[in-house]
Amino acid sequence: EAQVTQNPRYLITVTGKKLTVTCSQNMNHEYMSWYRQDPGLGLRQIYYSMNVEVTDKGDVPEGYKVSRKEKRNFPLILESPSPNQTSLYFCASSLGPRGADTQYFGPGTRLTVL
Amino acid sequence: AQTVTQSQPEMSVQEAETVTLSCTYDTSESNYYLFWYKQPPSRQMILVIRQEAYKQQNATENRFSVNFQKAAKSFSLKISDSQLGDTAMYFCAFMKGTLGSQGNLIFGKGTKLSVKP
Repeated sequence: EAQVTQNPRYLITVTGKKLTVTCSQNMNHEYMSWYRQDPGLGLRQIYYSMNVEVTDKGDVPEGYKVSRKEKRNFPLILESPSPNQTSLYFCASSLGPRGADTQYFGPGTRLTVL
Repeated sequence: AQTVTQSQPEMSVQEAETVTLSCTYDTSESNYYLFWYKQPPSRQMILVIRQEAYKQQNATENRFSVNFQKAAKSFSLKISDSQLGDTAMYFCAFMKGTLGSQGNLIFGKGTKLSVKP
């Protein structure tokens, strides 16, 4: 089954404790991205990747890092989480960055930073 | 910068009736795409429908159709014969269509739709 998976689905952590949210897709997609969803704000792009070893900042990149060492994986790293990073996070993938390329979203990761 | 506005935070409709969700956007781009995404209580983001700006014909997908008014920068979603499973948050989204796009979907704040039996 074609899908985007994220782990963990739920995470409660404390300020400053480094964490990684994994994202993996099995559709051989070149394009992957991370969004965060906050109440009343919709979804906003954090980082994106056009292909292996090619990443760039989205609209709200502060406090986040990413890497793309393999085509299928695109982990999101919070090196020193803060409470304002409490949010619902989505990974998405598509063949490319074009509007004609359907973006498939993962199931979401609910992160709480205390 | 592009913006997407959904002016209806919440709506409700009776099962089997028709409902229209509103969306307006602002852009100086001539080539772009517009989308409606559905987010049910499971939180999964599901693409409902897509419209290419250069196509005059309104997109349809089964019970879902759009009214795309390019000059007015309006992109509403009509759901016919509403079903209980249509209960969800609906997001309108915009993406540039130009070569070199970063693939960034610009989302509105969402409209929470409740379908009542």
